[in-house]
Amino acid sequence: AQTVTQSQPEMSVQEAETVTLSCTYDTSENNYYLFWYKQPPSRQMILVIRQEAYKQQNATENRFSVNFQKAAKSFSLKISDSQLGDTAMYFCAYLGISNYQLIWGAGTKLIIKP
Amino acid sequence: ETGVTQTPRHLVMGMTNKKSLKCEQHLGHNAMYWYKQSAKKPLELMFVYSLEERVENNSVPSRFSPECPNSSHLFLHLHTLQPEDSALYLCASSQDRISTNSPLHFGNGTRLTVT
Repeated sequence: AQTVTQSQPEMSVQEAETVTLSCTYDTSENNYYLFWYKQPPSRQMILVIRQEAYKQQNATENRFSVNFQKAAKSFSLKISDSQLGDTAMYFCAYLGISNYQLIWGAGTKLIIKP
Repeated sequence: ETGVTQTPRHLVMGMTNKKSLKCEQHLGHNAMYWYKQSAKKPLELMFVYSLEERVENNSVPSRFSPECPNSSHLFLHLHTLQPEDSALYLCASSQDRISTNSPLHFGNGTRLTVT
């Protein structure tokens, strides 16, 4: 069975710094999708970025980028120039194409300090 | 403004009560989901509806009863809950059930406390 592990329960950085959140996963599938979702204090989960495993190029969305290492089964999220509004829970998720069930990590609480 | 609306935002209920959670999506999506979110644990998928038909039930106790009267509305009926059922219950929708190009859109959740 697939699993997703986020090893950092909580992180905090100063505003404007760069922060990297880690995510590792376990799977025997070759084709799958990976996601980072953000859950701010408003509680609404929002998709931040998405990576397709067959694409070698790392996905980027403005200040958010990923470091996808398929062989290592690692999918970290980098937030550049962090802002106070980035304070949230961040969840890594895996979607395999064998059963299309989304597998979630336990989340990392990120605090951006002024 | 969220395209997925959940009510109530907070709910406190006793173990003998019966209550319902409501979810409405304004996105024209065909699939809707109930998730349970407990602190420091991964999200747990409870139920999935696609085109108003329940397509997935992940071993959820019968004290949770979903209802999907149409593709825009989803309910979760609660009765004789236990304190360990206290959690944030999230509703989500997506364009289609099986599509890698169909991300989930979430509501703000209902914070449920069972006393």
